[in-house]
Amino acid sequence: GAGVSQSPSNKVTEKGKDVELRCDPISGHTALYWYRQSLGQGLEFLIYFQGNSAPDKSGLPSDRFSAERTGGSVSTLTIQRTQQEDSAVYLCASRGAGGFPYNEQFFGPGTRLTVL
Amino acid sequence: AQTVTQSQPEMSVQEAETVTLSCTYDTSESDYYLFWYKQPPSRQMILVIRQEAYKQQNATENRFSVNFQKAAKSFSLKISDSQLGDAAMYFCAYSTGANSKLTFGKGITLSVRP
Repeated sequence: GAGVSQSPSNKVTEKGKDVELRCDPISGHTALYWYRQSLGQGLEFLIYFQGNSAPDKSGLPSDRFSAERTGGSVSTLTIQRTQQEDSAVYLCASRGAGGFPYNEQFFGPGTRLTVL
Repeated sequence: AQTVTQSQPEMSVQEAETVTLSCTYDTSESDYYLFWYKQPPSRQMILVIRQEAYKQQNATENRFSVNFQKAAKSFSLKISDSQLGDAAMYFCAYSTGANSKLTFGKGITLSVRP
């Protein structure tokens, strides 16, 4: 079946603009994660969605970052008033329900965001 | 808080030889999972191998195997018969709890010499 897809693949924006990054998880996967990969910070967790539960937003770096997941499927990560330090690759991953072996997360190809 | 440490930023191996990538972690949990992910230039994170902490037996997947030392909190990856396609960035990762969010090390860049 299809894997996790993300769009756009690359995004260049000007400082101060808002951007939206999209993630389509594997069909039927109830858990969805966003991670950020940057040169300075490495790979870091941003936010986690599980079914209809309240999301775990503990990794969001500032209130300029928000995310939603509509209908338990597609997720959008929004960054408002982008700053140059937001430049990074944003990775999305999804996971099936239950315990091991379903703890495996499947990653999308990421969106490379460049803020000029 | 859990931390994952990969102290070697780069390694190089001759094709067909064996290489070991190191990883240590810190946690107070008793039940957790450890992973090695491969990230080629395409950016796609690919799961290489995983280990459940409660299992004493080291995981193996074809040419890839781990040396899991729970008491020492060490989780190294051994790649046997290295191939050119193994060249990539490798990340060690940890997860636990209901949300299973991954905590990653800084990664190591592996190059394979023909």
